[in-house]
Amino acid sequence: GAVVSQHPSRVICKSGTSVKIECRSLDFQATTMFWYRQFPKKSLMLMATSNEGSKATYEQGVEKDKFLINHASLTLSTLTVTSAHPEDSSFYICSVPDRAYGYTFGSGTRLTVV
Amino acid sequence: AQTVTQSQPEMSVQEAETVTLSCTYDTSESDYYLFWYKQPPSRQMILVIRQEAYKQQNATENRFSVNFQKAAKSFSLKISDSQLGDAAMYFCAYRTTNTGTASKLTFGTGTRLQVTL
Repeated sequence: GAVVSQHPSRVICKSGTSVKIECRSLDFQATTMFWYRQFPKKSLMLMATSNEGSKATYEQGVEKDKFLINHASLTLSTLTVTSAHPEDSSFYICSVPDRAYGYTFGSGTRLTVV
Repeated sequence: AQTVTQSQPEMSVQEAETVTLSCTYDTSESDYYLFWYKQPPSRQMILVIRQEAYKQQNATENRFSVNFQKAAKSFSLKISDSQLGDAAMYFCAYRTTNTGTASKLTFGTGTRLQVTL
């Protein structure tokens, strides 16, 4: 499978500020990446599909103006949580489809908004 | 839309014993992929096993095997000789064979597996 690096692993920010999370595919050119959100003891909820060179596709109910996704190259997708509030605190995970119709996941980012 | 159901929120198994985690799914497609992922306390998602729907033979990876019943839309995971390191959240997932944005994974709600001594 692909090798995926997600950064940062943990971030604490003040309410009202923005936070950027990076997802890098280190050995595989990914035209598509996925961003998930996971609440404690819950399943992964797909937020959006990141498309290289074009707009992201957001799932129903996900605010595109709050969760900005940029996929400027075949190896990097970023998720920016804008004007973060405590309810945005969560675990965010990216994934990259690999050559064998599987997926490799980043190690996740724990966001805490205070 | 496809749905994935895991009816066991929690399971427990003794070390060295065998446990089976259940998963059912709903789809109108004939070809697709099914996966089991493990999420340990580190929260890193780890692929355990995958199955292509067109293959009748059940997938096996060392101590992990599946019972894939296509007609029943069932995809259970059997863990043999359970080890303490198997303790984790296990997610069943489905994806279509279509490419593009439809290639996203649909996850079940997960089963938390405890392994006791």
